[in-house]
Amino acid sequence: DTAVSQTPKYLVTQMGNDKSIKCEQNLGHDTMYWYKQDSKKFLKIMFSYNNKELIINETVPNRFSPKSPDKAHLNLHINSLELGDSAVYFCASSPQQGESYGYTFGSGTRLTVV
Amino acid sequence: AQSVSQHNHHVILSEAASLELGCNYSYGGTVNLFWYVQYPGQHLQLLLKYFSGDPLVKGIKGFEAEFIKSKFSFNLRKPSVQWSDTAEYFCDALFFGNEKLTFGTGTRLTIIP
Repeated sequence: DTAVSQTPKYLVTQMGNDKSIKCEQNLGHDTMYWYKQDSKKFLKIMFSYNNKELIINETVPNRFSPKSPDKAHLNLHINSLELGDSAVYFCASSPQQGESYGYTFGSGTRLTVV
Repeated sequence: AQSVSQHNHHVILSEAASLELGCNYSYGGTVNLFWYVQYPGQHLQLLLKYFSGDPLVKGIKGFEAEFIKSKFSFNLRKPSVQWSDTAEYFCDALFFGNEKLTFGTGTRLTIIP
């Protein structure tokens, strides 16, 4: 029973398309995150939501828009995909804002833009 | 299967004590290794990384880690911890041939003043 699940695991798409990556957690956590594994292989925070409310919005192009319909879901929608968007995107969750323990990652979504 | 193990789930230390957090990986090929930290209420931050070269790597805030290939280990160390080091620490690996990061389960570090 996967705690943090992302779909799809792999996504290959053409430049200019719009795509979404979905994330769901069944841990009852209040806080969810999107990270991007950048070209240097590091994780960089993109967004953080606490109980459906946006908390962190790092310098990310407006083409990226997170959506949290409820606290168990945090989806990432990307408009007008560019080659540079190719990366692995990780979703994660943690129990509460202000509490770091129990941080759990999804298995990642590899996005390839061609 | 490729995996990363952190055997210490919760470590409690007094200030000024020395720290060593264990990290082992399972893979026979080339690997990049990372330690991340998450302070309460914050997102992940990179502490240090190993790609190649000197197996002893130094990171931010006085942390260092040593890659021992024969032991498949990448343990995190700090000679003298501070209360502000209270956080959760994640060891991650990038296995060549599989470009996604594989995370350890994390170690909670509590420093008692």
